[in-house]
Amino acid sequence: AQSVTQLDSHVSVSEGTPVLLRCNYSSSYSPSLFWYVQHPNKGLQLLLKYTSAATLVKGINGFEAEFKKSETSFHLTKPSAHMSDAAEYFCVVSDLGDSSYKLIFGSGTRLLVRP
Amino acid sequence: DAGITQSPRHKVTETGTPVTLRCHQTENHRYMYWYRQDPGHGLRLIHYSYGVKDTDKGEVSDGYSVSRSKTEDFLLTLESATSSQTSVYFCAIKEDTDTQYFGPGTRLTVL
Repeated sequence: AQSVTQLDSHVSVSEGTPVLLRCNYSSSYSPSLFWYVQHPNKGLQLLLKYTSAATLVKGINGFEAEFKKSETSFHLTKPSAHMSDAAEYFCVVSDLGDSSYKLIFGSGTRLLVRP
Repeated sequence: DAGITQSPRHKVTETGTPVTLRCHQTENHRYMYWYRQDPGHGLRLIHYSYGVKDTDKGEVSDGYSVSRSKTEDFLLTLESATSSQTSVYFCAIKEDTDTQYFGPGTRLTVL
């Protein structure tokens, strides 16, 4: 069975400092992994996606994530936080062997950016 | 923009009343999904559809039914709303890859 664990429910950083949001997953087959972002009272926006083409995935707004199979991790990073990055971030897994293509969401990490 | 709209965007209703939420897409995607979002749970799948009249249950389907009579519309019905169904509901479509794109959401309050 698939599952996703986001290791921090809240992360607080200062503007201009690096961001690290941690995610571990379990999957029976070859996983697709995603990060979505949700700004307050908004819908979900796709940040980036891993589908086995490259282990380091670059997304929008300067975010990137590295797939580490040995550690079953897919952590999200950004070199320098901006105030506009304050939002909730969801790590998501989908198994390529599941014909429903359903997404399994982590419980989310709320990122606070301090001025 | 995946061309997904949801209606209504906000609804307040009373316990025991039926409620139908609509998801509309403009790009003829085969797969459509309904999720609910609750604090501390991320999004959880309620039902999904893999074609006209083809639907299946997700992990939190109790108390919900769906219908898809046209490719572009996917309806979610709460036959008799309960307070535990107060939530934000998101519709999604799957593109030809396995990437899903989400609608703007419907905030439902059951009093």
